[in-house]
Amino acid sequence: GQNIDQPTEMTATEGAIVQINCTYQTSGFNGLFWYQQHAGEAPTFLSYNVLDGLEEKGRFSSFLSRSKGYSYLLLKELQMKDSASYLCAVRADTDKLIFGTGTRLQVFP
Amino acid sequence: DTGVSQDPRHKITKRGQNVTFRCDPISEHNRLYWYRQTLGQGPEFLTYFQNEAQLEKSRLLSDRFSAERPKGSFSTLEIQRTEQGDSAMYLCASSSLDRDTGELFFGEGSRLTVL
Repeated sequence: GQNIDQPTEMTATEGAIVQINCTYQTSGFNGLFWYQQHAGEAPTFLSYNVLDGLEEKGRFSSFLSRSKGYSYLLLKELQMKDSASYLCAVRADTDKLIFGTGTRLQVFP
Repeated sequence: DTGVSQDPRHKITKRGQNVTFRCDPISEHNRLYWYRQTLGQGPEFLTYFQNEAQLEKSRLLSDRFSAERPKGSFSTLEIQRTEQGDSAMYLCASSSLDRDTGELFFGEGSRLTVL
């Protein structure tokens, strides 16, 4: 079966750092994606990991450990506009993406 | 090209009616995906195409759902005899095999409400 787990909700303060974890169990693995989705809008691509390690892109970084079936998205210097849902998705043994339920992040002033 | 476009953006229908959604992908993208999303959930895979070939269809997908991509460009998703449980956001996404990451680019979605 395919299973992707991430926390349902998180809160953080403006200017802080937050880490959103994702664990997965899938039949095959061909990459892990993080998407951001603001309420009522389409998901937008944030990051992609296919090899172990950390990928940094501005205020956002994503980490992958394939042996542990684990990834995290790190958001630094949080801004109010970062309040959104963050979706972890895995490309498994076919080319479709399998999404987790998403983590709703609320940033407070 | 400005991105993936979907039509209509909103559809309200009565139970038992048929509805059809259209998706126009980014022009150079050869893969096209349909997902369904309900409130508080992540997108759920429905089906995907490479050019005009439908490569995979979710086992969870009822026979009332059918999708086509006749010329390998736009796609339609039809739901026959709609039920209240079909109420959801229907997302279309496209991707290119030529990109290393192969990330999906999503449209704004078509929101279906079945009364």
